[in-house]
Amino acid sequence: GAVVSQHPSRVICKSGTSVKIECRSLDFQATTMFWYRQFPKQSLMLMATSNEGSKATYEQGVEKDKFLINHASLTLSTLTVTSAHPEDSSFYICSASLGEGYNEQFFGPGTRLTVL
Amino acid sequence: QQQVKQSPQSLIVQKGGISIINCAYENTAFDYFPWYQQFPGKGPALLIAIRPDVSEKKEGRFTISFNKSAKQFSLHIMDSQPGDSATYFCAASVRNAGNMLTFGGGTRLMVKP
Repeated sequence: GAVVSQHPSRVICKSGTSVKIECRSLDFQATTMFWYRQFPKQSLMLMATSNEGSKATYEQGVEKDKFLINHASLTLSTLTVTSAHPEDSSFYICSASLGEGYNEQFFGPGTRLTVL
Repeated sequence: QQQVKQSPQSLIVQKGGISIINCAYENTAFDYFPWYQQFPGKGPALLIAIRPDVSEKKEGRFTISFNKSAKQFSLHIMDSQPGDSATYFCAASVRNAGNMLTFGGGTRLMVKP
């Protein structure tokens, strides 16, 4: 159990376009979902935390108008990178949690974004 | 300020040897300490986790040792295999405080055949 999927697994886009990444919990209801960014050979950097039905909480330094997060249901969260630029190229990973009282986070397989 | 410090950054071990990765934390409120394994191009996968009420947890070839007074915990991989070659991350979180994970910097393990 506790499977999290992401779609797409990789995307290549032109500079200035917007890209949407989906994160789904397949066999459980995720009250809380997290979005991370990972650069090559580096650790995971938390971008934002989203709870179903409420606005996402962004980490310091993450532009909320650039990285739009929607958590419309207990099984789906989306991250939209608006007006993407080459510096946004990275590995984006989501995770899902059952919510308060549950420590465990279950990670998706990641999405490789390349902006040309 | 990095709240979880992980060492070493890279590690080379011979097949059959013991791999040891260490982490130290600062926040005494942390009450959950997981280890994740990540292969290139994949998301992290939970390997093993421990809570501060126990000093050791073993699952197969993987053991976590936890020293609450020293605020340190470590991962031991016994009988290391080439298939264990991956990046390992320690992490810590506080239950009922958003469950946000604070990650260590990662250790790239290479097990030579």
